[in-house]
Amino acid sequence: DQQVKQNSPSLSVQEGRISILNCDYTNSMFDYFLWYKKYPAEGPTFLISISSIKDKNEDGRFTVFLNKSAKHLSLHIVPSQPGDSAVYFCAASANAGGTSYGKLTFGQGTILTVHP
Amino acid sequence: DTAVSQTPKYLVTQMGNDKSIKCEQNLGHDTMYWYKQDSKKFLKIMFSYNNKELIINETVPNRFSPKSPDKAHLNLHINSLELGDSAVYFCASSQEGWDRVYGYTFGSGTRLTVV
Repeated sequence: DQQVKQNSPSLSVQEGRISILNCDYTNSMFDYFLWYKKYPAEGPTFLISISSIKDKNEDGRFTVFLNKSAKHLSLHIVPSQPGDSAVYFCAASANAGGTSYGKLTFGQGTILTVHP
Repeated sequence: DTAVSQTPKYLVTQMGNDKSIKCEQNLGHDTMYWYKQDSKKFLKIMFSYNNKELIINETVPNRFSPKSPDKAHLNLHINSLELGDSAVYFCASSQEGWDRVYGYTFGSGTRLTVV
């Protein structure tokens, strides 16, 4: 049972255009969401996060949008650059304490390719 | 200076062998984790330790045993390796059990191949 899904395995975008990566979740207990970026042979690195009390968070070229009613979040990158080419993982957490303490549930990732 | 380091980076071994993967963090974080990235690319939590105490133990075969000698180290020992154990294993750490802003800091991963 995959509670976080990224249904697009890959996305190809021209440099300078917008990249939109999508993520859907099923667990209504999730209250915090993060995006990670991963280059080959490296571990994922934190990109941007959003709490469920917000619907948007912006950091430079990166903006995350959260639609709680649809259980959907998206990452917008504007403008896209060739160096953004990587795998992007969506992750979610439920602040339930106990056995959920510190646990992140990840999607399977979307490969973004930005062409010069 | 690497924040979360895992060794080895690559590990090829035969079925039935016992192997260990080591992880060390120099960030002063209190909590460390092991995640497995399976063939479908999902990252799934296996274990977490907070100050050497086991906090999370997901449904993982008991052939997998984590060991935390101190809060800067979390090693993963795997007995009687099986083909299905082939995956990339990531170590991670976070401050105060859960950093609500930054989540985790990951190591670069260990690619385990069982033949």
